[in-house]
Amino acid sequence: EPEVTQTPSHQVTQMGQEVILRCVPISNHLYFYWYRQILGQKVEFLVSFYNNEISEKSEIFDDQFSVERPDGSNFTLKIRSTKLEDSAMYFCASKTGMNPSGANVLTFGAGSRLTVL
Amino acid sequence: AQTVTQSQPEMSVQEAETVTLSCTYDTSESDYYLFWYKQPPSRQMILVIRQEAYKQQNATENRFSVNFQKAAKSFSLKISDSQLGDAAMYFCAYRATSGTYKYIFGTGTRLKVLA
Repeated sequence: EPEVTQTPSHQVTQMGQEVILRCVPISNHLYFYWYRQILGQKVEFLVSFYNNEISEKSEIFDDQFSVERPDGSNFTLKIRSTKLEDSAMYFCASKTGMNPSGANVLTFGAGSRLTVL
Repeated sequence: AQTVTQSQPEMSVQEAETVTLSCTYDTSESDYYLFWYKQPPSRQMILVIRQEAYKQQNATENRFSVNFQKAAKSFSLKISDSQLGDAAMYFCAYRATSGTYKYIFGTGTRLKVLA
């Protein structure tokens, strides 16, 4: 069964450092998302991406965050200067826009745990 | 703004018994999608069941079924014949059918299955 894959599974970084989290969505999917989950809290929407541009973003997704789909397969989330409060599990998700019955089902990756020290 | 509330941080069920997880949501939309996702420990979230708001019939998937009460804005998940493999975090999620791409999640309910 097709999967969304994320790397790294866990990254530890120093405050102020740049971090790039990588995702490989399912190949025929058209919509891509990043969510985060701070330990013990709810899963929060960060950004959605469609047709090579951001389609929607939350108030969390400030100028420190950016997303890119550099080569048609990878979908990356960059945090320019990490803060302690960026420590969380980051989930990538994708969905197809082409199959009506499954068009609104998100497929998630296993997550990348970011620890900022 | 739409919100999703899961009021049970943790639930326990005996193996082979039935358990119901609660979810309420708030929206002014008339058409939307609702989902239950399961997140096993250290694993990705996987879809358990989905419901389109325009459908009155409650969705079912094998041992999983929902009780969708649109007027009450309630969307509970019933797991019958609970198995050890059902132990996980369960998230309720909402998505409007138009105007937004985002899915809104609740805080989750941790389900423990006791042997």
